[in-house]
Amino acid sequence: DSGVTQTPKHLITATGQRVTLRCSPRSGDLSVYWYQQSLDQGLQFLIQYYNGEERAKGNILERFSAQQFPDLHSELNLSSLELGDSALYFCASSPEYRPYEQYFGPGTRLTVT
Amino acid sequence: AQKITQTQPGMFVQEKEAVTLDCTYDTSDPSYGLFWYKQPSSGEMIFLIYQGSYDQQNATEGRYSLNFQKARKSANLVISASQLGDSAMYFCAMSSLYNNNDMRFGAGTRLTVKP
Repeated sequence: DSGVTQTPKHLITATGQRVTLRCSPRSGDLSVYWYQQSLDQGLQFLIQYYNGEERAKGNILERFSAQQFPDLHSELNLSSLELGDSALYFCASSPEYRPYEQYFGPGTRLTVT
Repeated sequence: AQKITQTQPGMFVQEKEAVTLDCTYDTSDPSYGLFWYKQPSSGEMIFLIYQGSYDQQNATEGRYSLNFQKARKSANLVISASQLGDSAMYFCAMSSLYNNNDMRFGAGTRLTVKP
């Protein structure tokens, strides 16, 4: 158990819909990262937040957005869902003293039908 | 741009033997970190080991060691005394120490440990 929690574990929804994925980082970690793992694209970095502020963006679509709240939990919002958005979405957090060490949550498996 | 290459889609190893999983990388950053993660069939990503580009010694964590050859830009993972529970996907990853959020992953190697 990495200490990072993600909900829900599984999510099935239809095209065109909007979903919210939730992540709670390890206690004390200020950085939260979101990744998407799909069969065709592999593991891709989406976005990073640090203490409530967006720090970096990766390959994140405009239909996707994220935020980090004062209690440091983060949410990833996916809208106008397409079949190709079906993937495993991971959240990770890293400690201040070892920022290179990212601990991953169990992931949310999103299926768009 | 950073790039990670894992050329072995699948590997087999006999239980109790050692196995090496290959990883090569390409970067223009002077400072970077190299990582290995394990992903069992349950799906979670488990951090295994980290090597900094300026570290003089190869990293070791229990049965895992990282064979870091900077001039060859390789960061192979060595698992000693393989166990059945080591069967999983293994991902090599790299990030710039100037920008630790820019983590790039290889395509992964599926390791199967035979009894």
